[in-house]
Parts: sequence; structure tokens; C-alpha cells
Amino acid sequence: QVQLVESGGGVVQPGGSLRLSCAASGFTFSSYGMHWVRQAPGKGLEWVAYVRNDGTKKYYADYVKGRFTISRDNSKNTLYLLMNSLRTEDTAMYYCAKDDCSGGNCHPGDWGQGTLVTVSS
Amino acid sequence: EIVLTQSPDFQSVTPKEKVTITCRASQSIGSTLHWYQQKPDQSPKLLIRYASQSISGVPSRFSGSGSGTDFTLTINSLEAEDAATYYCHQSSGLPPYSFGQGTKLEIK
Repeated sequence: QVQLVESGGGVVQPGGSLRLSCAASGFTFSSYGMHWVRQAPGKGLEWVAYVRNDGTKKYYADYVKGRFTISRDNSKNTLYLLMNSLRTEDTAMYYCAKDDCSGGNCHPGDWGQGTLVTVSS
Repeated sequence: EIVLTQSPDFQSVTPKEKVTITCRASQSIGSTLHWYQQKPDQSPKLLIRYASQSISGVPSRFSGSGSGTDFTLTINSLEAEDAATYYCHQSSGLPPYSFGQGTKLEIK
């Protein structure tokens, strides 16, 4: 069965950096694109970033573009999110999610349990 | 960027009632609209994909319809376990993608 385990969250000061990881198992990681989605406390879901299965194409939401970098290591079955220049409004639970696709169009299918990032001085 | 607007934001309903949640897109997205259920302190779960395709393991009382800009999630004969927040999500074309603001369903 698909398992996605996020880690790397914590408390960081504004302007700081953090790297999140998502360890994948139970499927052929290198065959699927992966998403990061976040949820601020008490708020709704926000799509953050996407990387294709081979890592060649990456896409970002405007509110993180230029500050966050999504990447993956298919040899380690791991997805990453490097977050720089963090702001208080980046405080959220960060989820990784595996692609669910049909006819070349994809969306988040299976989700991890999330890792909490708190940006505060 | 495509904006998704859900209605209502909150609904209080009784068991066995029929519930309808709508999602409107700011431009046509074909059928690239998906529905998720999130229960308190849990991760989101995919309920309906591509507007109307059912997901294995999801109860048959959940169904979806629509295309273009207007979409509907219907829950027939609501059960207590359906208390959750429901989100629509669009994956039209290349990212960035977006979610609706969510609809919180309370069971009376």
C-alpha cells in the first residue's frame, strides 16, 4: 500500500530556511509526479508545488515562487521541499501527495500525514 | 490563475438528508475537477475524480457531476461519519493548480 511520510517540520524564525522530506514506499516512486500542499491552522488547502516523475519539470504557486524549491531523489524514493525566506504566513501543515492520473492529467491522489512548519520569532 | 468558489461555506444537516455542494470555476476547466474529504485532524482523502468518476472504497452515496465551470458533489442519505470539510480542486492544463475554500458539513 502507498505510504508517504513527511518530516523536517519545526519552528523557524522569519527569513529562515527549512527543508522538508517525504519518504515514499509501496509504489514505483520514479513513475509518479508528486505534489506539496499546505494548510494553515484552521484554514483551507493551498496547492504549493509539483514535480514530474523524472524531476525535469517543476511548477510553483505564485506565493512561493522564487522562495521554495521542489526536488526529488528517485534513487532514495524521497521528495523534498526547500523553503527559503520564510514568512509568518508560511506557517502551515505541509502535505506531500502522489499523483493520480488519467489521460495525462494529474492531481493529488494519496496523501501523507503532514509535517508542521511554524514561522515565528 | 483559476479561482474555485464553493457554496455553501457551512451547512448543518440531519442524518439521511441529501446534501449538495457546488463548486464554480472562474473559467472553463472541462472535467478536471476533483473532490476531497477532510475529517478533523486527518489528511485529505480523494472522493471523486474528473468531476464524476467514483473512487474504489468510497461509499456509493457520494457522487459528482458537472463540466466546464459548474460542478456538484452530492451526498445521498447522509451518515454521521460524513461530518467533514469538503474541497474541490482543479488540475486544468499546466500548474499552478488551486483548491476551493472548503465547505464544512456539520451533522445535527
